[in-house]
Amino acid sequence: DTAVSQTPKYLVTQMGNDKSIKCEQNLGHDTMYWYKQDSKKFLKIMFSYNNKELIINETVPNRFSPKSPDKAHLNLHINSLELGDSAVYFCASSNSLSEAFFGQGTRLTVV
Amino acid sequence: GENVEQHPSTLSVQEGDSAVIKCTYSDSASNYFPWYKQELGKRPQLIIDIRSNVGEKKDQRIAVTLNKTAKHFSLHITETQPEDSAVYFCAASKGYSTLTFGKGTMLLVSP
Repeated sequence: DTAVSQTPKYLVTQMGNDKSIKCEQNLGHDTMYWYKQDSKKFLKIMFSYNNKELIINETVPNRFSPKSPDKAHLNLHINSLELGDSAVYFCASSNSLSEAFFGQGTRLTVV
Repeated sequence: GENVEQHPSTLSVQEGDSAVIKCTYSDSASNYFPWYKQELGKRPQLIIDIRSNVGEKKDQRIAVTLNKTAKHFSLHITETQPEDSAVYFCAASKGYSTLTFGKGTMLLVSP
């Protein structure tokens, strides 16, 4: 069983569209995250959810909205996509002071 | 918030040599310091971690050292092999706070 799974793996879409990326973890972790990895490979935190409560919301545009229906799922919805949103988005989960497990990543390309 | 600086950004070594990657952190309350390896096109995966109650930890060819006073920690890889070539990230966190990553080091091991 995959510990952290996210779908889709690749997403190509036009500017202005709305898209969602789904993430599920079966590790029983309390905290889930979304990271953005740009072309320079920098991993930047976007959102963090602990027991379904948003605990960090970094300075990302409000076009990005995380949704957590339960503590095993954290989806990312993006409105009005822009060229600069092209990146790899990683979902991850962890418990306090322990290893974060990453999903396989979603490569988003906005054209 | 936490700030993690990582150096060098690229590191080229010959097979069999040692490699050292250094990180500094800003928040003296941080107490968990993992290192992740990311191969091309793959997800980041934990290779070793250290908590603030120890100064050094070793796992076969990989070791991590932590200096809490100076707020820096380092990754040491001995007897490097071509398959060690990847991007390495250091990170820091405390409690349930999000992992803050360094900007990564691209390690190239030449046969």
